[in-house]
Amino acid sequence: GENVEQHPSTLSVQEGDSAVIKCTYSDSASNYFPWYKQELGKRPQLIIDIRSNVGEKKDQRIAVTLNKTAKHFSLHITETQPEDSAVYFCAAGGGYNKLIFGAGTRLAVHP
Amino acid sequence: NAGVTQTPKFQVLKTGQSMTLQCAQDMNHNSMYWYRQDPGMGLRLIYYSASEGTTDKGEVPNGYNVSRLNKREFSLRLESAAPSQTSVYFCASSEWGSGGRELFFGEGSRLTVL
Repeated sequence: GENVEQHPSTLSVQEGDSAVIKCTYSDSASNYFPWYKQELGKRPQLIIDIRSNVGEKKDQRIAVTLNKTAKHFSLHITETQPEDSAVYFCAAGGGYNKLIFGAGTRLAVHP
Repeated sequence: NAGVTQTPKFQVLKTGQSMTLQCAQDMNHNSMYWYRQDPGMGLRLIYYSASEGTTDKGEVPNGYNVSRLNKREFSLRLESAAPSQTSVYFCASSEWGSGGRELFFGEGSRLTVL
């Protein structure tokens, strides 16, 4: 089955810096790679996703890149703000295959 | 629309007691899921229901049972709770299958087993 590894587990940056979170997956059949953000005490919410026919996708300060050959994908947050502080989860899945989540990255953005 | 609603939000059980977590969605989604969240372990799928009338095991199904009561409701039952089941439980739904659709999560249920 699918296995998703996520690094780093914690990340601390200064406001305005960029943050990068990386994930690797094992199942070459996976073709859908979402990222979820979970603020403290809240539910996870989708912030961006990418499908295997696309190499990069951007939404304002957030971008995701996918390398299917190497089976890894990354989340890039530019110009970080304190409200970006949260736990971020990557996931991998495909078709009707269930999503498998990474262990999460706790991002702290310091003013 | 309320989205995904799960009850109770908090529960304390003694080892061996049973309980049912309830989940309902009003988005007319076909698929529903139960996840557990433990520190450092991310979100792990317990059971899911791809459509009304079907249920399947996820990554960590042992010690749990589920019922897809109708299209709206999906319950999770702990028959004999164990301390290892102390966790935050999230119900989620998606339009059809989680492989390519956004998951909408409930607010979570924090369960402590003593």
